Amino acid sequence: DTEVTQTPKHLVMGMTNKKSLKCEQHMGHRAMYWYKQKAKKPPELMFVYSYEKLSINESVPSRFSPECPNSSLLNLHLHALQPEDSALYLCASSQRGLAGTDTQYFGPGTRLTVL
Amino acid sequence: GESVGLHLPTLSVQEGDNSIINCAYSNSASDYFIWYKQESGKGPQFIIDIRSNMDKRQGQRVTVLLNKTVKHLSLQIAATQPGDSAVYFCAGQIPNSNSGYALNFGKGTSLLVTP
Repeated sequence: DTEVTQTPKHLVMGMTNKKSLKCEQHMGHRAMYWYKQKAKKPPELMFVYSYEKLSINESVPSRFSPECPNSSLLNLHLHALQPEDSALYLCASSQRGLAGTDTQYFGPGTRLTVL
Repeated sequence: GESVGLHLPTLSVQEGDNSIINCAYSNSASDYFIWYKQESGKGPQFIIDIRSNMDKRQGQRVTVLLNKTVKHLSLQIAATQPGDSAVYFCAGQIPNSNSGYALNFGKGTSLLVTP
């Protein structure tokens, strides 16, 4: 089983709203990732959590705030977003949680629209 | 960082024919490569992977070839079916580096299977 689940599937929010995206995996993976994907482009890495600690923040604006409550859950808190933040937000996980070559499995994504 | 790119942005094939999708990478330290399939509105789905100590790997109807000399890999899909229509991304990883988590994605090839 290589399932990563994400909720909600779709989200529409105003620029003053606060919302959260959720990601869950029950594969015992120790690394979890947030990616942002614009239309017709490849995914771009935002954050990496390894063993529930933030390992990488790819210079993401502070209006995006990740959280890893436990090894199975990953959240992305959104506040004061801009219309250009509208995109597909993908969560992924991988087994080892160490820097190196490790297959990442993606969830279905949350389609975010910022009005 | 490395760049991983694709030679062709779109590929149209007839049902039943074989498809070949190409990918070039620039960093010879890349050690691990993954092909993902992404259908419209969905997250990337793992298809097949290959490590740099191999030059060929076969799955069900798919084969990945790796040529480290010219830094090129390809995905071959046998007897292409309408359900294979999607965008295909190659991605590479560099082990044991600060960005070792990062999947360096190519631009993607849109495969269209016509009846």
